[in-house]
Amino acid sequence: GAVVSQHPSWVICKSGTSVKIECRSLDFQATTMFWYRQFPKQSLMLMATSNEGSKATYEQGVEKDKFLINHASLTLSTLTVTSAHPEDSSFYICSAYQGLTDTQYFGPGTRLTVL
Amino acid sequence: GESVGLHLPTLSVQEGDNSIINCAYSNSASDYFIWYKQESGKGPQFIIDIRSNMDKRQGQRVTVLLNKTVKHLSLQIAATQPGDSAVYFCAEANFGNEKLTFGTGTRLTIIP
Repeated sequence: GAVVSQHPSWVICKSGTSVKIECRSLDFQATTMFWYRQFPKQSLMLMATSNEGSKATYEQGVEKDKFLINHASLTLSTLTVTSAHPEDSSFYICSAYQGLTDTQYFGPGTRLTVL
Repeated sequence: GESVGLHLPTLSVQEGDNSIINCAYSNSASDYFIWYKQESGKGPQFIIDIRSNMDKRQGQRVTVLLNKTVKHLSLQIAATQPGDSAVYFCAEANFGNEKLTFGTGTRLTIIP
């Protein structure tokens, strides 16, 4: 089946630093990937839609200059949290859309803790 | 029983009993619905989906019911097992538009 990986699975960083999270579709190509954020005991909130070769589309209220998204290839999208602060601590989950099956496949998530 | 907490409703069910998890969706234009299971510290796992031209769909031990009149979706899990303990989310979309909107989620706890 289609597999999506994320790296790292967890990261701890100091306030003010930047953190990059990778999302890879391992056995299929994904022209569209999605980034979600999930706070404890809450649902997944879509942050942005990442399109290969073009700019990401951000949801209302998500700062594009703070959450930089790059979808450089059909199997890789990256999310960079710039100048991270404690309130950015969350579980970040990506998904990759496979057109052949019209299905989104989710990654295992990345736990970000900002001290 | 079922209770609503500050953020996440919870449902406790005896092992072997059937579970019913409910979801009210928001967009009457949505025509594609999916149920996901999320275990602690992991990403969502697809369970079953249904399109708006159906009102019921069955999988292995799971059944999804859709009532478009009241914008209600339910997930029935038969003969629940300890491994079914997780948070369950419904998600809605427009078929052909990949963007998903997730519901609040329900934490299912199986009592041995």
